[in-house]
Amino acid sequence: GDSVTQMEGPVTLSEEAFLTINCTYTATGYPSLFWYVQYPGEGLQLLLKATKADDKGSNKGFEATYRKETTSFHLEKGSVQVSDSAVYFCALSDSRGGSNYKLTFGKGTLLTVNP
Amino acid sequence: GAGVSQSPSNKVTEKGKDVELRCDPISGHTALYWYRQSLGQGLEFLIYFQGNSAPDKSGLPSDRFSAERTGGSVSTLTIQRTQQEDSAVYLCASSPGRRTSYEQYFGPGTRLTVT
Repeated sequence: GDSVTQMEGPVTLSEEAFLTINCTYTATGYPSLFWYVQYPGEGLQLLLKATKADDKGSNKGFEATYRKETTSFHLEKGSVQVSDSAVYFCALSDSRGGSNYKLTFGKGTLLTVNP
Repeated sequence: GAGVSQSPSNKVTEKGKDVELRCDPISGHTALYWYRQSLGQGLEFLIYFQGNSAPDKSGLPSDRFSAERTGGSVSTLTIQRTQQEDSAVYLCASSPGRRTSYEQYFGPGTRLTVT
């Protein structure tokens, strides 16, 4: 079945540091890929997505590129802020032509950014 | 507009009792999903509704778990004879459910503690 593997945390960075959170996936079809973020005390929010190979999703300074050849969707940000401290989840969805877009999530990576 | 709401936000119950968790999706969203977030298992899919039908119940962990959706809107997840391993945060998400628009919007979750 489908699966997502992301780097284990926690990740601790200083403000303005470069961030990479690795994510690789296994899927039999052609999934869409997502990064979700969960800020402390809040619900899951979609951060960015990519629906086909070589697409780049971007939002709030974060970027991730759908790499089919390496089955990866690594999250990057050039300069993190304290406000980026959160848990980040990589996820995939493959409806296989139907209407069920259920998400398969990675385990999550806790990011802490210190001033 | 209003987002996905869930109630109660917190529920503490004794082992063996039944509980009902409620989800109010975004108006007009035809697709509704339940997920469970626990420390040991991460984020897991439970069940998918399209309208009032549940074509995918594959994530329900046992026959103690059931869910229904009425009027293409509100959904209730019921856990009978709760066990300690049912303790988790139960998340609901809704989506327009269209091929061109399938992004899921998550509610804040219900934290269930079984004592």
